[in-house]
Amino acid sequence: DSGVTQTPKHLITATGQRVTLRCSPRSGDLSVYWYQQSLDQGLQFLIQYYNGEERAKGNILERFSAQQFPDLHSELNLSSLELGDSALYFCASSAQGGSGNTIYFGEGSWLTVV
Amino acid sequence: GESVGLHLPTLSVQEGDNSIINCAYSNSASDYFIWYKQESGKGPQFIIDIRSNMDKRQGQRVTVLLNKTVKHLSLQIAATQPGDSAVYFCAENNQGGKLIFGQGTELSVKP
Repeated sequence: DSGVTQTPKHLITATGQRVTLRCSPRSGDLSVYWYQQSLDQGLQFLIQYYNGEERAKGNILERFSAQQFPDLHSELNLSSLELGDSALYFCASSAQGGSGNTIYFGEGSWLTVV
Repeated sequence: GESVGLHLPTLSVQEGDNSIINCAYSNSASDYFIWYKQESGKGPQFIIDIRSNMDKRQGQRVTVLLNKTVKHLSLQIAATQPGDSAVYFCAENNQGGKLIFGQGTELSVKP
């Protein structure tokens, strides 16, 4: 158990809908990351937050957004969902936000768009 | 580079043998590297890390070797067990906390 908690574990929704994925980082970790894993793209970095502020942005679509709250939990919002958004979405956390900090992953949220 | 492709390299070993999984990274400025193990349906699990000022680091049954000259990383697993069967990813860190993942190698351990 990495200490990173994600909910829901599984989610099935229709195209055009909006979903919210939730993440609680490891106790004491200030930085949260979101990754997408699909069969044809592997593990892709989406976005990073550090202590409530956006720190780095990766291949995140404009239909997707995230935030980190004062209690350090984070949410990833996915809207206008398309079939191609079906993937595993991972949250990860680290103590600090810079290079050299071990990043621990949660178990992921399986999103299926039908 | 960025993780691409769905056809993972595979490595099949006999239980008890040593395994060596290789990884080429893309950015010579990367200063931190991590190996992760991912079992089916689970999140990547941290195995071992190494900083760019080191060539070798050992953990429990695992060793990571870093060759910066050729931008190559390897993970050695001693006395491989069936529970080691998984996909193994190397990841490089060169922009703050952002990790760039390799495509992964599927390790299969035959009993």
